[in-house]
Amino acid sequence: AQSVAQPEDQVNVAEGNPLTVKCTYSVSGNPYLFWYVQYPNRGLQFLLKYITGDNLVKGSYGFEAEFNKSQTSFHLKKPSALVSDSALYFCAVRDMEGDKIIFGKGTRLHILP
Amino acid sequence: GAVVSQHPSWVICKSGTSVKIECRSLDFQATTMFWYRQFPKQSLMLMATSNEGSKATYEQGVEKDKFLINHASLTLSTLTVTSAHPEDSSFYICSARDWGPYNEQFFGPGTRLTVL
Repeated sequence: AQSVAQPEDQVNVAEGNPLTVKCTYSVSGNPYLFWYVQYPNRGLQFLLKYITGDNLVKGSYGFEAEFNKSQTSFHLKKPSALVSDSALYFCAVRDMEGDKIIFGKGTRLHILP
Repeated sequence: GAVVSQHPSWVICKSGTSVKIECRSLDFQATTMFWYRQFPKQSLMLMATSNEGSKATYEQGVEKDKFLINHASLTLSTLTVTSAHPEDSSFYICSARDWGPYNEQFFGPGTRLTVL
């Protein structure tokens, strides 16, 4: 069965510093991997995805993520954090054969001014 | 990009009443839509998979008689919470799968249900 782990409930980063939000996954085949962001009382906003190709994926709002097959990881990164990046971030995985997207429990990102 | 809407965005109802939530794919046809539930400060949990023209497939532990799903057209799926109780209060999010090569899912903005 597929699963996603986000080991950190919360990450605090000073504005201007680089940020990393961790994600590891488990699927039976090749994965589709996603990052979404959620602001309070709002739905999910798509940030980026990995399906195939380059391991470094660039997405919205300056975010990027690196697919590492050997470590089964897909960490979200940004070189310079903004206060407006403060939100709840979800990593998600879907195997190529199936339909279901499984979400991690989420990581709350606090960017400190 | 593909857009999915939900209506209403929020609803308050009395205990014992039924509430219908609509999920629409605005610029693409979706044979498959998904319904998720999110409790405060928790992740999204898949409730059911909605297939156009056929019965929905419910995840384990989700009461099909409580959460009625209808997918009558390629652009509309509805979730009806029957005889709602305060414990049904939650954030409900739908997604729609497109016809592209990767069968991507696009998410609606969510509906906040509060049962008094």
